[in-house]
Amino acid sequence: DGGITQSPKYLFRKEGQNVTLSCEQNLNHDAMYWYRQDPGQGLRLIYYSQIVNDFQKGDIAEGYSVSREKKESFPLTVTSAQKNPTAFYLCASSGTVNTGELFFGEGSRLTVL
Amino acid sequence: GEDVEQSLFLSVREGDSSVINCTYTDSSSTYLYWYKQEPGAGLQLLTYIFSNMDMKQDQRLTVLLNKKDKHLSLRIADTQTGDSAIYFCAEIIYSGAGSYQLTFGKGTKLSVIP
Repeated sequence: DGGITQSPKYLFRKEGQNVTLSCEQNLNHDAMYWYRQDPGQGLRLIYYSQIVNDFQKGDIAEGYSVSREKKESFPLTVTSAQKNPTAFYLCASSGTVNTGELFFGEGSRLTVL
Repeated sequence: GEDVEQSLFLSVREGDSSVINCTYTDSSSTYLYWYKQEPGAGLQLLTYIFSNMDMKQDQRLTVLLNKKDKHLSLRIADTQTGDSAIYFCAEIIYSGAGSYQLTFGKGTKLSVIP
């Protein structure tokens, strides 16, 4: 079945460590996105990519990095520079750019100890 | 302002209708969306409405759009316990250089009482 797979579902990290969240899609979508969700805050855009080897910062990119070496994959690295990394991270994709019809993964919950 | 506004909580009895309201910001938004998020999961697109429409119905869901007031609502008829979730309103906003960005509200948590 086509869809988006995020891993791991749960992740614990010590302060000062970088961690990478995986996002893979087999929908043949061009665009991919990373959102952060905090309780009562809704979704905030971290990074997005409209095509392979290209990506743009979203509203809260500081302390995060991404790569888009393959169409299917858009990993997110939460670096030690991110001051408050504990959150629920959601990856999404869309068949075209400039659309609101996004397909989401099941999310990854990161907890910094 | 720049925010899509929604009330944070709504509680209804099973079998009643639920109405979730949203105020959006950009009068030039072409499409408006409703997403559903079940606990611990990702978001799922429920429905959307094009800005030249006033209403769209899809089974138990009815979307109403008032462009003059920039008000969007989602009505769920015969609400069931399985409808308990967070519902997000979202709009497409032009962000410059030919790009559009999807902006979400903070979400309304719907609790259905058996």
